[in-house]
Amino acid sequence: DAGVIQSPRHEVTEMGQEVTLRCKPISGHDYLFWYRQTMMRGLELLIYFNNNVPIDDSGMPEDRFSAKMPNASFSTLKIQPSEPRDSAVYFCASSSDENNEQFFGPGTRLTVL
Amino acid sequence: QQPVQSPQAVILREGEDAVINCSSSKALYSVHWYRQKHGEAPVFLMILLKGGEQKGHEKISASFNEKKQQSSLYLTASQLSYSGTYFCAPPWGSGTYKYIFGTGTRLKVLA
Repeated sequence: DAGVIQSPRHEVTEMGQEVTLRCKPISGHDYLFWYRQTMMRGLELLIYFNNNVPIDDSGMPEDRFSAKMPNASFSTLKIQPSEPRDSAVYFCASSSDENNEQFFGPGTRLTVL
Repeated sequence: QQPVQSPQAVILREGEDAVINCSSSKALYSVHWYRQKHGEAPVFLMILLKGGEQKGHEKISASFNEKKQQSSLYLTASQLSYSGTYFCAPPWGSGTYKYIFGTGTRLKVLA
């Protein structure tokens, strides 16, 4: 298996623009997680899905952030409009029910100017 | 709410042992431990389950304290490859998959 795939790997955009981050989880994994990592706040869980259904989105910072999982092999995290404080590395991770070992994707480094 | 890890940073010589602590304001049902190397994604190391069972790395072990509000990770005979930032990640409650990552411990192993 190729592991968790994220795209793009790097994104530079200007304040006010819409940003869409994409994730393909490992085939057969029922859980998908979106994390954000910054120096100031560390690794924060934004939202997680189980069988394509959002279970807990309490970590989503504000209404500018939205996440979807239209099918078992694809999820998106959208920021609209983006702000400089959204600059971070965004990780997607997936896991199966057993032990919930999370497999992380390589991350998307987002820079908002 | 975020688990607090100690020490914040540690430097070891190859072959030395290390202990990393993870303290929570709530009782821990289980704890995942991850290691993240600079510029890379976190990688799962092991899980410590409620009854003390462990699954994961052969040279890394973990335990709970008596009140189960602290977990400790034990690195034995450290290797250069152990360098990185270690995170504990307990679930927020029983039956939830909402994992809260700790503050992190930077570990550097020198030759």
